[in-house]
Amino acid sequence: DVKVTQSSRYLVKRTGEKVFLECVQDMDHENMFWYRQDPGLGLRLIYFSYDVKMKEKGDIPEGYSVSREKKERFSLILESASTNQTSMYLCASSSRRSQPQHFGDGTRLSIL
Amino acid sequence: AQSVTQPDIHITVSEGASLELRCNYSYGATPYLFWYVQSPGQGLQLLLKYFSGDTLVQGIKGFEAEFKRSQSSFNLRKPSVHWSDAAEYFCAVGGNNDMRFGAGTRLTVKP
Repeated sequence: DVKVTQSSRYLVKRTGEKVFLECVQDMDHENMFWYRQDPGLGLRLIYFSYDVKMKEKGDIPEGYSVSREKKERFSLILESASTNQTSMYLCASSSRRSQPQHFGDGTRLSIL
Repeated sequence: AQSVTQPDIHITVSEGASLELRCNYSYGATPYLFWYVQSPGQGLQLLLKYFSGDTLVQGIKGFEAEFKRSQSSFNLRKPSVHWSDAAEYFCAVGGNNDMRFGAGTRLTVKP
């Protein structure tokens, strides 16, 4: 069965910390995505990657960066966490950008 | 770029009743259309997809959706709702090397 695995289900960090969210997929997909999900706002794309070391900004990249050193792994980095980054973060992968995406279970991140 | 509108933020239905969740899209060509479901605390799971061909598509868990080009709609239906269907439902449109999600509809099921 295909799988997207996010390293943490729940995470609590402090303001100003550097935070790493990790995502691994086992489907050999070219594309990987990071979304942020907030009530009433749906899914908002932060960054996506279409190949190793390749990335593009999504709709809300400010305050975030990403890293993709290996095809199966895509990391989201909060350089200096702030309280307004408290949210649910979802990772996804797909063979092509317009094709069905496979999602991880999400990381609920709280910044105190 | 394409966009998706789910007009209903929250819908409540009784168990056993029929369900229809609305989805309208904006896209210049024939889109790829998807419905996803998200149970509490989980990621999104693909319910069904439309790429081409028969405009009525069947999905998992007894759901179906109908693509109506003239109305730019892709509404999700289920004849008889179960309590386990309570979740959030997202419509998505793919095309032009992009994917856009609607804001979601939360479904509550009354006993």
